[in-house]
Amino acid sequence: GDSVTQMEGPVTLSEEAFLTINCTYTATGYPSLFWYVQYPGEGLQLLLKATKADDKGSNKGFEATYRKETTSFHLEKGSVQVSDSAVYFCALTYNNNDMRFGAGTRLTVKP
Amino acid sequence: DAGVIQSPRHEVTEMGQEVTLRCKPISGHDYLFWYRQTMMRGLELLIYFNNNVPIDDSGMPEDRFSAKMPNASFSTLKIQPSEPRDSAVYFCASSNTGGAQPQHFGDGTRLSIL
Repeated sequence: GDSVTQMEGPVTLSEEAFLTINCTYTATGYPSLFWYVQYPGEGLQLLLKATKADDKGSNKGFEATYRKETTSFHLEKGSVQVSDSAVYFCALTYNNNDMRFGAGTRLTVKP
Repeated sequence: DAGVIQSPRHEVTEMGQEVTLRCKPISGHDYLFWYRQTMMRGLELLIYFNNNVPIDDSGMPEDRFSAKMPNASFSTLKIQPSEPRDSAVYFCASSNTGGAQPQHFGDGTRLSIL
């Protein structure tokens, strides 16, 4: 079945470092792809999304490009801040009643 | 706009007791989802509703779990009797219909069964 695989964490970076969190997907069709972020004690929040191949989603300095040829949707940020410390989830769906989430990647940014 | 509202935020109770978790979805959303999150199993979909009707409850772990949605603005997840292995964070999420709409999550209920 359709699924999402994320790089295992935890990821620890220094402030202002470059961030990449890998996400690859397995899908029979052409799903929409999402990144969610979960801060401590909170629910998941939508960070960005892309609905078709070559689309780039972006928000708060984070970016991810929908790559059909490599079935990937890697999350990147050029310069992370301590406030970016959170758990990041990659997800896919064809429609809103069956969203498949990755296992999550914990990011810690140190000052 | 108000987001998804869950109550209580924390619940601590002894095993064998009945636990009821509550959720108010975003007004106008016609999908509602219940998830459970643990360190061991990650985020698991328990059940979801469309227009107040349960569509898929295959993720409900066993008969001790039940969920209802009596109207468009309220849903409950009930565990009876509760067991220590039910300890987890339970999330409710809602979404609009039409294409790949994102799900909007509440802040969760942290449940501890002693």
